[in-house]
Amino acid sequence: DGGITQSPKYLFRKEGQNVTLSCEQNLNHDAMYWYRQDPGQGLRLIYYSQIVNDFQKGDIAEGYSVSREKKESFPLTVTSAQKNPTAFYLCASSTSARTGTVSGANVLTFGAGSRLTVL
Amino acid sequence: GQNIDQPTEMTATEGAIVQINCTYQTSGFNGLFWYQQHAGEAPTFLSYNVLDGLEEKGRFSSFLSRSKGYSYLLLKELQMKDSASYLCAVRDAGNTGKLIFGQGTTLQVKP
Repeated sequence: DGGITQSPKYLFRKEGQNVTLSCEQNLNHDAMYWYRQDPGQGLRLIYYSQIVNDFQKGDIAEGYSVSREKKESFPLTVTSAQKNPTAFYLCASSTSARTGTVSGANVLTFGAGSRLTVL
Repeated sequence: GQNIDQPTEMTATEGAIVQINCTYQTSGFNGLFWYQQHAGEAPTFLSYNVLDGLEEKGRFSSFLSRSKGYSYLLLKELQMKDSASYLCAVRDAGNTGKLIFGQGTTLQVKP
């Protein structure tokens, strides 16, 4: 079955450590996204990539880094520069980053999420 | 600026109808999405509106008025499993495909 796999599901980190969250999709989607979700807040965009070897900062990119070396993979690194990293991280992908048609193309499909806790 | 507003919480009774409203003020608009998210799980797609009017999908319907910057999600014949958060999201104009999310509405369905 096609889908998006995020790992690990739960992760604990000590302050000052970098950690990398994995996101792999076999949907043959061009675009991939990383969102952060905090209690009582909406999803906020960290980084997105419309094509291999290219990515752009979202609204809250500080303290994070990404790479897009393969179409299927879009790992997110939470660096020690991120001041408040404890959150639920969601990866998503879509068929195309271009504007959709009336039929509603470009629906985002989400992974199950990774919950990061800083000790 | 980008602003999407939804009520934080709602409560409804099993079998009833509930309407979850969403208002938006965004610099661009290329469609509005509704997602359902159960606690600790991934959001799942419910509906998409890009033209004014009502889109119906079984027990769920979604309405859009672009001139008013307003949408609602209507859930009929509520079931206990409908207890979840409902996320309203606007797709940015241009070709990025980015979604801007509201804070979500937590719906509790009671027997």
